[in-house]
Amino acid sequence: NAGVTQTPKFQVLKTGQSMTLQCAQDMNHNSMYWYRQDPGMGLRLIYYSASEGTTDKGEVPNGYNVSRLNKREFSLRLESAAPSQTSVYFCASSEVWTGSAGLVEKLFFGSGTQLSVL
Amino acid sequence: DQQVKQNSPSLSVQEGRISILNCDYTNSMFDYFLWYKKYPAEGPTFLISISSIKDKNEDGRFTVFLNKSAKHLSLHIVPSQPGDSAVYFCAASGRGSNYKLTFGKGTLLTVNP
Repeated sequence: NAGVTQTPKFQVLKTGQSMTLQCAQDMNHNSMYWYRQDPGMGLRLIYYSASEGTTDKGEVPNGYNVSRLNKREFSLRLESAAPSQTSVYFCASSEVWTGSAGLVEKLFFGSGTQLSVL
Repeated sequence: DQQVKQNSPSLSVQEGRISILNCDYTNSMFDYFLWYKKYPAEGPTFLISISSIKDKNEDGRFTVFLNKSAKHLSLHIVPSQPGDSAVYFCAASGRGSNYKLTFGKGTLLTVNP
């Protein structure tokens, strides 16, 4: 059961370099997300995609771009990396159901990418 | 403006005892509350949830309690096991957040043998 697969697991960049983080899910979920986790900051939403062909900004989108290539794949691009983007990045997909109190979303996360920008 | 707060960065308990992790929220329009568990070098995984119309949900050793009037929820783990050592994130969603999950900063639980 692959679930959500992220690549690479580790990456070191120099300031100003660019790179793309790849994410794919095999659960046929419509929605996909990119989060970053920093010490003492919890999980913060960067961008999300509610369906193929749509993307929206989250809480901390500056310095990032995303592409929802198809239903399975959602990539995150850093055009000009900065030390402030040193973080652990998580991709997630979600299933939504209607519960007793309304809509609820359950996220499934990948194993993360540890990114260091020097 | 932090809408979901986990005020204890860490908690240490003895194996076999109860672990209680707390979470407070400010947005009265949250309809669902979820707990995620995260081990080092892994992504968070869903643990348990509760809807706003309930005050308790139980799944094995894990129970979540919701006090809507106090805007407070807690996760109880009984009995605690060393394998429960992880970071626990509280998350909330609802009409107020367009159904997107808002996460707390997490609490590191250490269960000592």
